[in-house]
Amino acid sequence: KAGVTQTPRYLIKTRGQQVTLSCSPISGHRSVSWYQQTPGQGLQFLFEYFSETQRNKGNFPGRFSGRQFSNSRSEMNVSTLELGDSALYLCASSLEPGADYGYTFGSGTRLTVV
Amino acid sequence: GESVGLHLPTLSVQEGDNSIINCAYSNSASDYFIWYKQESGKGPQFIIDIRSNMDKRQGQRVTVLLNKTVKHLSLQIAATQPGDSAVYFCAENGDTDKLIFGTGTRLQVFP
Repeated sequence: KAGVTQTPRYLIKTRGQQVTLSCSPISGHRSVSWYQQTPGQGLQFLFEYFSETQRNKGNFPGRFSGRQFSNSRSEMNVSTLELGDSALYLCASSLEPGADYGYTFGSGTRLTVV
Repeated sequence: GESVGLHLPTLSVQEGDNSIINCAYSNSASDYFIWYKQESGKGPQFIIDIRSNMDKRQGQRVTVLLNKTVKHLSLQIAATQPGDSAVYFCAENGDTDKLIFGTGTRLQVFP
Protein backbone atom coordinates (compact mmCIF):
# COMPACT_ATOMS: atom_id res chain seq x y z
CA LYS A 1 0.00 0.00 0.00
CA ALA A 2 1.12 3.58 -0.55
CA GLY A 3 3.22 5.18 2.17
CA VAL A 4 2.99 8.63 3.63
CA THR A 5 3.09 11.20 0.85
CA GLN A 6 4.40 14.69 1.37
CA THR A 7 4.27 17.48 -1.16
CA PRO A 8 6.13 19.35 -2.34
CA ARG A 9 9.52 17.68 -1.85
CA TYR A 10 11.46 20.90 -2.13
CA LEU A 11 10.49 24.51 -1.62
CA ILE A 12 12.35 27.80 -1.66
CA LYS A 13 10.67 30.81 -0.10
CA THR A 14 11.65 34.34 0.81
CA ARG A 15 11.66 35.75 4.32
CA GLY A 16 8.27 37.11 5.26
CA GLN A 17 6.34 34.82 2.95
CA GLN A 18 4.09 32.04 4.08
CA VAL A 19 4.09 28.39 3.06
CA THR A 20 1.72 25.42 3.15
CA LEU A 21 2.93 21.84 3.21
CA SER A 22 0.75 18.82 2.57
CA CYS A 23 0.71 15.31 3.97
CA SER A 24 -1.38 12.31 2.93
CA PRO A 25 -1.22 9.52 5.52
CA ILE A 26 -1.27 5.81 4.89
CA SER A 27 -4.76 4.65 4.07
CA GLY A 28 -6.56 3.84 7.31
CA HIS A 29 -4.21 5.86 9.48
CA ARG A 30 -6.12 8.52 11.34
CA SER A 31 -3.38 10.32 13.22
CA VAL A 32 -0.87 12.67 11.62
CA SER A 33 2.11 14.21 13.38
CA TRP A 34 4.52 16.81 12.12
CA TYR A 35 8.20 17.16 12.99
CA GLN A 36 10.84 19.71 12.10
CA GLN A 37 14.34 18.37 11.52
CA THR A 38 17.40 20.60 11.56
CA PRO A 39 21.10 19.80 12.03
CA GLY A 40 21.24 21.80 15.25
CA GLN A 41 18.01 20.72 16.95
CA GLY A 42 17.38 17.28 15.50
CA LEU A 43 13.78 16.10 15.28
CA GLN A 44 11.43 18.44 17.07
CA PHE A 45 7.70 17.73 17.48
CA LEU A 46 5.40 20.35 15.99
CA PHE A 47 1.86 19.00 16.44
CA GLU A 48 -0.42 16.02 16.12
CA TYR A 49 -3.86 15.84 14.56
CA PHE A 50 -6.55 13.23 15.02
CA SER A 51 -10.14 13.39 13.85
CA GLU A 52 -9.57 16.88 12.49
CA THR A 53 -8.53 18.14 15.92
CA GLN A 54 -5.14 19.21 17.16
CA ARG A 55 -4.40 16.79 19.93
CA ASN A 56 -0.90 17.79 20.95
CA LYS A 57 1.40 20.71 20.26
CA GLY A 58 5.12 21.27 20.57
CA ASN A 59 7.00 24.39 21.58
CA PHE A 60 6.83 26.36 18.39
CA PRO A 61 5.57 29.91 17.87
CA GLY A 62 2.06 30.60 16.65
CA ARG A 63 3.41 31.16 13.14
CA PHE A 64 3.30 27.39 12.83
CA SER A 65 -0.17 25.99 12.41
CA GLY A 66 -1.86 23.01 10.91
CA ARG A 67 -5.10 21.32 10.20
CA GLN A 68 -6.51 17.94 9.31
CA PHE A 69 -9.28 17.17 6.89
CA SER A 70 -12.03 14.58 7.14
CA ASN A 71 -10.03 12.18 4.93
CA SER A 72 -7.13 12.43 7.44
CA ARG A 73 -4.94 14.43 5.05
CA SER A 74 -3.12 17.19 6.85
CA GLU A 75 -1.54 20.50 6.02
CA MET A 76 0.81 22.66 7.97
CA ASN A 77 1.33 26.35 7.45
CA VAL A 78 4.17 28.62 8.42
CA SER A 79 3.52 32.35 8.18
CA THR A 80 6.02 35.20 8.12
CA LEU A 81 8.91 32.90 7.31
CA GLU A 82 12.25 33.41 8.99
CA LEU A 83 15.66 32.14 7.90
CA GLY A 84 15.66 29.80 10.88
CA ASP A 85 12.60 28.02 9.54
CA SER A 86 14.77 26.37 6.91
CA ALA A 87 14.50 22.68 7.71
CA LEU A 88 13.21 19.32 6.65
CA TYR A 89 9.55 19.04 7.65
CA LEU A 90 8.46 15.48 8.25
CA CYS A 91 4.99 14.12 8.51
CA ALA A 92 4.24 10.81 10.19
CA SER A 93 1.03 8.84 10.34
CA SER A 94 -0.19 6.17 12.71
CA LEU A 95 -3.34 4.13 13.17
CA GLU A 96 -4.23 5.73 16.46
CA PRO A 97 -3.12 8.92 18.22
CA GLY A 98 -0.45 9.16 20.84
CA ALA A 99 3.05 7.85 21.04
CA ASP A 100 2.32 4.25 21.84
CA TYR A 101 2.20 3.18 18.21
CA GLY A 102 4.88 3.22 15.59
CA TYR A 103 4.91 6.20 13.31
CA THR A 104 5.44 5.86 9.57
CA PHE A 105 7.23 8.86 8.15
CA GLY A 106 7.09 10.45 4.76
CA SER A 107 10.21 11.59 2.92
CA GLY A 108 9.70 15.15 4.04
CA THR A 109 9.54 18.58 2.51
CA ARG A 110 12.84 20.43 2.37
CA LEU A 111 12.08 24.11 2.99
CA THR A 112 14.75 26.71 2.32
CA VAL A 113 14.09 30.29 3.36
CA VAL A 114 16.29 32.91 1.67
CA GLY B 1 22.88 13.81 3.76
CA GLU B 2 20.36 16.60 3.51
CA SER B 3 18.38 15.60 6.55
CA VAL B 4 20.91 14.70 9.21
CA GLY B 5 23.07 16.58 11.62
CA LEU B 6 26.58 17.69 10.87
CA HIS B 7 28.09 16.76 14.22
CA LEU B 8 26.54 13.41 15.00
CA PRO B 9 28.53 10.75 16.80
CA THR B 10 29.75 8.29 14.23
CA LEU B 11 30.24 4.56 14.41
CA SER B 12 32.47 3.07 11.72
CA VAL B 13 32.36 -0.68 11.21
CA GLN B 14 33.68 -3.10 8.68
CA GLU B 15 31.25 -4.93 6.46
CA GLY B 16 30.31 -8.22 8.05
CA ASP B 17 31.01 -7.12 11.61
CA ASN B 18 28.31 -6.58 14.20
CA SER B 19 27.30 -3.02 15.11
CA ILE B 20 26.05 -1.75 18.43
CA ILE B 21 24.40 1.66 18.63
CA ASN B 22 23.61 3.05 22.04
CA CYS B 23 21.04 5.49 23.30
CA ALA B 24 20.42 6.99 26.72
CA TYR B 25 16.79 7.96 27.10
CA SER B 26 15.64 10.74 29.33
CA ASN B 27 12.28 9.94 30.88
CA SER B 28 11.79 7.18 33.43
CA ALA B 29 8.07 7.26 32.59
CA SER B 30 8.74 6.10 29.02
CA ASP B 31 7.37 2.64 28.36
CA TYR B 32 7.65 2.40 24.60
CA PHE B 33 10.79 2.75 22.52
CA ILE B 34 11.51 2.68 18.81
CA TRP B 35 14.61 2.61 16.66
CA TYR B 36 14.49 4.44 13.34
CA LYS B 37 16.92 4.45 10.42
CA GLN B 38 17.25 7.52 8.24
CA GLU B 39 19.04 7.42 4.92
CA SER B 40 20.06 10.52 3.06
CA GLY B 41 17.10 12.23 1.44
CA LYS B 42 14.53 10.07 3.16
CA GLY B 43 12.37 10.18 6.23
CA PRO B 44 13.05 7.99 9.27
CA GLN B 45 12.18 4.36 8.70
CA PHE B 46 10.87 2.15 11.52
CA ILE B 47 13.28 -0.67 12.40
CA ILE B 48 12.13 -2.24 15.65
CA ASP B 49 10.29 -1.34 18.81
CA ILE B 50 10.16 -2.59 22.37
CA ARG B 51 7.87 -2.04 25.33
CA SER B 52 9.09 -1.69 28.87
CA ASN B 53 7.78 -5.09 29.95
CA MET B 54 10.54 -6.63 27.84
CA ASP B 55 14.30 -6.28 27.97
CA LYS B 56 15.13 -7.79 24.59
CA ARG B 57 13.45 -8.10 21.25
CA GLN B 58 14.80 -9.54 18.03
CA GLY B 59 14.02 -8.84 14.43
CA GLN B 60 15.71 -9.73 11.20
CA ARG B 61 19.44 -9.09 11.84
CA VAL B 62 18.54 -6.55 14.54
CA THR B 63 18.15 -6.83 18.28
CA VAL B 64 17.05 -4.15 20.69
CA LEU B 65 18.07 -4.30 24.33
CA LEU B 66 16.42 -2.24 27.05
CA ASN B 67 17.93 -1.56 30.46
CA LYS B 68 15.39 0.39 32.47
CA THR B 69 17.61 0.60 35.52
CA VAL B 70 20.09 2.86 33.75
CA LYS B 71 17.67 4.16 31.11
CA HIS B 72 19.69 2.72 28.26
CA LEU B 73 18.66 1.34 24.92
CA SER B 74 20.84 -0.34 22.34
CA LEU B 75 20.44 -1.54 18.79
CA GLN B 76 22.53 -4.44 17.61
CA ILE B 77 22.90 -5.09 13.89
CA ALA B 78 24.35 -8.44 12.92
CA ALA B 79 26.60 -8.87 9.89
CA THR B 80 26.49 -5.18 9.01
CA GLN B 81 26.09 -4.44 5.32
CA PRO B 82 26.80 -1.32 3.23
CA GLY B 83 23.06 -0.75 2.98
CA ASP B 84 22.96 -0.29 6.75
CA SER B 85 24.87 2.98 6.43
CA ALA B 86 22.53 5.66 7.72
CA VAL B 87 21.70 7.72 10.77
CA TYR B 88 19.97 5.81 13.55
CA PHE B 89 17.61 7.43 16.04
CA CYS B 90 16.09 6.09 19.19
CA ALA B 91 12.71 7.47 20.26
CA GLU B 92 10.72 7.23 23.48
CA ASN B 93 7.14 8.06 24.30
CA GLY B 94 7.88 9.92 27.54
CA ASP B 95 4.96 11.23 29.54
CA THR B 96 3.84 13.78 27.00
CA ASP B 97 2.15 11.38 24.58
CA LYS B 98 4.44 12.25 21.70
CA LEU B 99 7.56 10.57 20.42
CA ILE B 100 10.77 12.20 21.60
CA PHE B 101 13.80 11.52 19.46
CA GLY B 102 17.43 11.22 20.43
CA THR B 103 20.13 13.11 18.59
CA GLY B 104 21.10 10.20 16.35
CA THR B 105 24.19 8.18 15.52
CA ARG B 106 25.71 7.94 12.07
CA LEU B 107 26.69 4.41 11.07
CA GLN B 108 29.35 4.12 8.38
CA VAL B 109 30.11 0.72 6.90
CA PHE B 110 33.37 0.28 5.05
CA PRO B 111 34.46 -2.68 2.93
